[in-house]
Amino acid sequence: DQQVKQNSPSLSVQEGRISILNCDYTNSMFDYFLWYKKYPAEGPTFLISISSIKDKNEDGRFTVFLNKSAKHLSLHIVPSQPGDSAVYFCAASVDQAGTALIFGKGTTLSVSS
Amino acid sequence: EAEVAQSPRYKITEKSQAVAFWCDPISGHATLYWYRQILGQGPELLVQFQDESVVDDSQLPKDRFSAERLKGVDSTLKIQPAELGDSAMYLCASSLGTSGGARYNEQFFGPGTRLTVL
Repeated sequence: DQQVKQNSPSLSVQEGRISILNCDYTNSMFDYFLWYKKYPAEGPTFLISISSIKDKNEDGRFTVFLNKSAKHLSLHIVPSQPGDSAVYFCAASVDQAGTALIFGKGTTLSVSS
Repeated sequence: EAEVAQSPRYKITEKSQAVAFWCDPISGHATLYWYRQILGQGPELLVQFQDESVVDDSQLPKDRFSAERLKGVDSTLKIQPAELGDSAMYLCASSLGTSGGARYNEQFFGPGTRLTVL
């Protein structure tokens, strides 16, 4: 059973608009959540993270929101740029002490100019 | 900027053959992870090392997979014999350690080795 779910395989957005990528999780023990971005033929690169004690974390154009009661998090990209086109993985961990990450299946974001 | 190195980048082999992948983590990173990513799925942990010791290998198919990190630096993942279902991207990641908070434990990924088993 998947513990981290990204139910939208793909998302298409116009340049300058907001991109919202969603992620749901089932394990209430998860304490730390991350988003990774992956371009073809490259490994995933860290984008942004959030601890379970927070409900929002912002870094430039990227904001992650966490709703613990709903076991849901989302990544907002504003404004979206063509270079943001990539696969975005949601990941979770039971702690911040280096425990391996549990990844979702990913959402492919396409930003058109 | 320091990067995680992996080789080869691509490997094609026939089933029942042996294959090996190599990973060189970022210098000074004590924790090393091997993940497997099947097409259309997210990465899944195979094995985690802290220095030269295995921390978690619960998802490693030990009948055919082996991993080592003898000197606590670079690591090798081996499959023998390879099966058709092993076709996937094998990703190596490293982090500074397992204490000190989130940024200390940020995982940096290499470019991966894409394995195709015929």
